[in-house]
Amino acid sequence: ETGVTQTPRHLVMGMTNKKSLKCEQHLGHNAMYWYKQSAKKPLELMFVYNFKEQTENNSVPSRFSPECPNSSHLFLHLHTLQPEDSALYLCASSQDLGTGNEKLFFGSGTQLSVL
Amino acid sequence: GQNIDQPTEMTATEGAIVQINCTYQTSGFNGLFWYQQHAGEAPTFLSYNVLDGLEEKGRFSSFLSRSKGYSYLLLKELQMKDSASYLCAVRDSNYQLIWGAGTKLIIKP
Repeated sequence: ETGVTQTPRHLVMGMTNKKSLKCEQHLGHNAMYWYKQSAKKPLELMFVYNFKEQTENNSVPSRFSPECPNSSHLFLHLHTLQPEDSALYLCASSQDLGTGNEKLFFGSGTQLSVL
Repeated sequence: GQNIDQPTEMTATEGAIVQINCTYQTSGFNGLFWYQQHAGEAPTFLSYNVLDGLEEKGRFSSFLSRSKGYSYLLLKELQMKDSASYLCAVRDSNYQLIWGAGTKLIIKP
C-alpha cells in the first residue's frame, strides 16, 4: 500500500476521445505531481500542485489539462491525444514541495495507449 | 544541460552482489535519490544521500561522491525479487528533481 491510488490502471483511447485520469493520496501530503514515463527515458515532470495551486507546468501541450480540487485529489484530463502520448502516467505526492530530502510517494500509474 | 547517466540494463546472479552506477551533471546539488520500480508498479524510495560517503540500509547501500558527480547503489545477497528498475535522481540548485532513465536489473538463478 503506497498511499497513492491511481485509476484506471490501463486506458486505451482514440485520438478524438476525451478521458480523465484520477489520483488520490491518503497520506495528508500538501504537494501532488503528474509525471510521464516512457520506455527507456527519464521521468518527465508535467505538473506540480502545492496546496491545490499549480506551481509548475513544464511546457505541457494543452491537450493535457490538470485539475486539483483539493490536496488529496488530482486529475489529468485528456483530449485529442496523439500516438506519441502513449506512456505510463504516474501521480506522486510529497509532504511539501521538494526541499532537500523530501521524497516522493508514487502511485502505480495509468498505462495509456493512444490509437 | 543537466544530465543523469546510468546503465540501461544489468544482469546478476541470485546471491551475488551488484553495483549500479549513476553519474550526474547538474546545476547545483541538493541531494541524490535512488528509487526501485518493479514492472507495472509504483517507484518506491530506497535511499537519499546528500553528504559524501556510504549509507547502509540492510542489503542495500548507496554511495555518493559530490566532487566526482558520482553515486552507486550496492545490492548484496541478491534475491529474485530484486529484479526491477532502479532510478537515480538528483535535486539541483532549484530543488528540481532530475531523473536518470533507470537501470533494469535482471536476476538469474
